Amino acid sequence: KAGVTQTPRYLIKTRGQQVTLSCSPISGHRSVSWYQQTPGQGLQFLFEYFSETQRNKGNFPGRFSGRQFSNSRSEMNVSTLELGDSALYLCASSRTGTAEETQYFGPGTRLLVL
Amino acid sequence: DQQVKQNSPSLSVQEGRISILNCDYTNSMFDYFLWYKKYPAEGPTFLISISSIKDKNEDGRFTVFLNKSAKHLSLHIVPSQPGDSAVYFCAALGTSGSRLTFGEGTQLTVNP
Repeated sequence: KAGVTQTPRYLIKTRGQQVTLSCSPISGHRSVSWYQQTPGQGLQFLFEYFSETQRNKGNFPGRFSGRQFSNSRSEMNVSTLELGDSALYLCASSRTGTAEETQYFGPGTRLLVL
Repeated sequence: DQQVKQNSPSLSVQEGRISILNCDYTNSMFDYFLWYKKYPAEGPTFLISISSIKDKNEDGRFTVFLNKSAKHLSLHIVPSQPGDSAVYFCAALGTSGSRLTFGEGTQLTVNP
């Protein structure tokens, strides 16, 4: 069974640009969550999607948005990039996203904002 | 406001000895706790979990202990192996479904 895949793996952008990251969950998984990992803040929850609906949202500005498609693939978008957005962006999938259900992480997309 | 804290950024142990990684939390609404392991250039991998109704859960070389009154949990790895060298994250779940709250991570190095 293929794991969670994320594309691209690495990305370099400049301030003010926007970026779109993609996540393909494990087959059969309908819940996709996004996390940002930075050296100073650790892993922080961005948002969760289930059946094309945002079900949960973390404390990030509106520049961070996402969506989920009918095949459960998810994208996240960051507009007007800032230097502080440089981070590893991880997505995780699970069958239904209920508590205590194991979440499986992808390898992440490393974003560098210059 | 860091609700899950791992106060030791790094830990070094000898192969064959016990590794003890610690985690503290402040939110009493957390009722499920997990440990993830992360190698460089990979996403976190689930290791072991514990529900708040238990105080211990064991899986092979890995045991997680939960002390609810102290809001403290620990991960014991016995015996430690060089392949265990990785960053270990403590995470907690509360009433908001699958939203994981992570600690900052502890870099474990197991020396041969």
